This record gives sequence, structure tokens and C-alpha cells, in this order.
Amino acid sequence: EPEVTQTPSHQVTQMGQEVILRCVPISNHLYFYWYRQILGQKVEFLVSFYNNEISEKSEIFDDQFSVERPDGSNFTLKIRSTKLEDSAMYFCASSSDRSGYTFGSGTRLTVV
Amino acid sequence: GDSVTQMEGPVTLSEEAFLTINCTYTATGYPSLFWYVQYPGEGLQLLLKATKADDKGSNKGFEATYRKETTSFHLEKGSVQVSDSAVYFCALSDRGNTPLVFGKGTRLSVIA
Repeated sequence: EPEVTQTPSHQVTQMGQEVILRCVPISNHLYFYWYRQILGQKVEFLVSFYNNEISEKSEIFDDQFSVERPDGSNFTLKIRSTKLEDSAMYFCASSSDRSGYTFGSGTRLTVV
Repeated sequence: GDSVTQMEGPVTLSEEAFLTINCTYTATGYPSLFWYVQYPGEGLQLLLKATKADDKGSNKGFEATYRKETTSFHLEKGSVQVSDSAVYFCALSDRGNTPLVFGKGTRLSVIA
């Protein structure tokens, strides 16, 4: 069964550093998403991406964040100048028609 | 905006007990409804979904029926197992342009 692959599974970074979280969506999917889940809290939408541009973003997704699809297969989330409160599980998802989301297993980001 | 409200946890049940996790939603259109499950240390997995009123989603003994009149999508299982211990998230996706919206999650613990 096709799956969404996320790397790394766990990333530890120092406050103020930049991190790039990587995702390989399902190959024939057209819509890509990033969500995050702070420990013990709800899953929150960050951004959606379609046709090589951001289609929607939440209030959380400020100038500190950016997304990119650099080579037609990877989908990355960059967090500049990380803060302690960026520590969370980050989930990538993809879908073909917005009705069948497939999530990756997540990257746990720990900012120290 | 769209929102999902699900019952607060945690829920603790004995093996073979009946499970109900309530979920209600608010949406402007006719959303698709989902239940996702997150096992300890893992990512989000789609458990079941329903795309229109009166549809019943089912998987692994779990069921949920899309009730438009009560705007609900309650999750049920007749006989839970220890392996069902996880966090369960109700979610919706509007057929318009909104991304997936999650409830806060309900932690289920099943004891032998």
C-alpha cells in the first residue's frame, strides 16, 4: 500500500537553529499538507500546497516557516530560528482529491 | 469556521466492553467525516470515513454513521481489546477549500 514517508523520525535542534523536515508524498497525489501536534494537544493545520504553491495556511504558519517541493518528489517544511515552543510532532499528509488523506508517521522535533 | 468537538478523555474500559466516543461537528457545507487513530509512538492512521449523510464507515470492528440531522459521527465498537488502546481523533474535510480539521482527541485505555 502506498505510504507517505517522513524523515527524520526524530530531530533535536538547538534554539535559534534552522531545521528542514522532509516528506515524500504518494506519487500520484496532488495536494500536500503539514500539520503539527504539540505533545498532548490537538493536531493543528499548518499549510496546504497545490500546483507548486501554498493554497492555504493557518495563523501558526508565519514568516518563520516555509515549504518547498524542490524536485517533484520531496515536500519540505523549513523552520527558521527555532523556538522552544516549536517542539512538536510534525505530520506530512498528501491526498489526491481532498477526501483521502494519507499521513506520514511524523517527525518529532525537539528544540533545546 | 468548521469545527469538531469530541468527548473528553481519557476513557478507560475493560476488555470486551462496549465503546462509544462521541463526535459532533459544525460545518458550512457537507463535509466528509473521518476517524483517525494514533497508537503509542506512531503517526496518524485513517480508521474509517464517511462522505455523505447516512453513510456508515467501518473498519476493524469500529463503526461510525454520518448523521446529518444531529451533525454527529460517533465512533462505536462492540467489544474492545487491549490492542485498541490509542488516541482517537474525529476530523472533517469540507468539500470546498478547507483543510482537515481535527477534534482534540480521546485517549482510550483498555485493560485486561
